[in-house]
Amino acid sequence: EIVLTQSPDFQSVTPKEKVTITCRASQNIGSSLHWYQQKPDQSPNLIIRYASQSLSGVPSRFSGSGSGTDFTLTINSLEAEDAATYYCHQSTSSPHTFGQGTKLEIK
Amino acid sequence: QVPLQESGPGLVKPSGTLSLTCSVSGGSMNDFAWSWIRQPPGKGLEWIGYIYHTGSTNYNPSLKSRVTISIDTSKNQFSLNLASVTAADTAVYFCARMYNFFDSWGQGSLVTVSS
Repeated sequence: EIVLTQSPDFQSVTPKEKVTITCRASQNIGSSLHWYQQKPDQSPNLIIRYASQSLSGVPSRFSGSGSGTDFTLTINSLEAEDAATYYCHQSTSSPHTFGQGTKLEIK
Repeated sequence: QVPLQESGPGLVKPSGTLSLTCSVSGGSMNDFAWSWIRQPPGKGLEWIGYIYHTGSTNYNPSLKSRVTISIDTSKNQFSLNLASVTAADTAVYFCARMYNFFDSWGQGSLVTVSS
């Protein structure tokens, strides 16, 4: 099973700040890494697919990078509505696995 | 994205079977895999398994002995059965459409295992 480790687990940030969340895989997963945003009491929402592909309807301040074992989700100029927990997910091999999540709190 | 909606009992007794159905609104079920994912209260996401329209399935080995996922394309529905449940199976259960990534999710259904 491929283990995904996110850092940090929690971050308190101010609006307009730049945020970086990392996801490290226990083995090479190429670009089969996807990012989700989950707000309280809501289902997760896909925000980045295949490590760096942006999605229609997702604000352009969200971007992803990386390949192999190290990946990054970047939020430029954070907004209050970005308060959420962010998860990475790998689809290279079964079982599909998720990172433990990174909770962003807006100060 | 397509709307998905979970339905089923919110309370299951220990040692019983958890059963949920996911209704898919619109579109064909043929081009995607249909998945179940769960989230214990206050915790992270765990993939349970998925099924194709052909009936082909893939399960998480950690749950494989207890899980059955089935599909009824004529009703645009797929279902989850989880047998021999314990309190550790208490979670919000999500159904989702999968094309490598999960691009459509249901709102989630909280299932509590308790006597």
